[in-house]
Amino acid sequence: EAGVTQFPSHSVIEKGQTVTLRCDPISGHDNLYWYRRVMGKEIKFLLHFVKESKQDESGMPNNRFLAERTGGTYSTLKVQPAELEDSGVYFCASSLTPGLTGGAYGYTFGSGTRLTVV
Amino acid sequence: AQKITQTQPGMFVQEKEAVTLDCTYDTSDPSYGLFWYKQPSSGEMIFLIYQGSYDQQNATEGRYSLNFQKARKSANLVISASQLGDSAMYFCAMREAPNDYKLSFGAGTTVTVRA
Repeated sequence: EAGVTQFPSHSVIEKGQTVTLRCDPISGHDNLYWYRRVMGKEIKFLLHFVKESKQDESGMPNNRFLAERTGGTYSTLKVQPAELEDSGVYFCASSLTPGLTGGAYGYTFGSGTRLTVV
Repeated sequence: AQKITQTQPGMFVQEKEAVTLDCTYDTSDPSYGLFWYKQPSSGEMIFLIYQGSYDQQNATEGRYSLNFQKARKSANLVISASQLGDSAMYFCAMREAPNDYKLSFGAGTTVTVRA
């Protein structure tokens, strides 16, 4: 089966511009998560969708970040306007069940989008 | 407070030797899960192994094993017979409570396998 797909893989934008990241989860996975790793720091949770609904968005840093999940399929994460501190790697993950165990029921991550704001 | 602590920023290991990556965690929840992920230079996060808090035995997956010491709140990853392809960053992560789906990650440990 196809894995979690993220694009673009890299994005370089100027401060103040808008960037939209996309994540296509594994087909049938109701749960979709966004994480990010700012350079040199831990990977941090951003938010969790169950189908098209936001289950938990406690990790969203501020209102410059907007996540959507159209029809419970793919998800987008828009940063507008981008700031220098938004640079990092943004990961998407999906799961079949709420990650109760590892393996097939655990989280499958995409390869990430490396965002550089200059 | 830091929930996952990985104290080794980087490690070198000789090919075919075993390496232990440290991970300690902090939670007051009796039900939790611990994960290890590998991130090679290509960027993807690859699931390696999982340990549930109620699991009686240490998890094993091929060359990966998890040394789970619940009282000490540690979940160290052991990679046996290291291969050059094991060179990567390794992350320890935890999920707390049955209804809390987000993962808390450690800072990661970079492993470099030498020929």
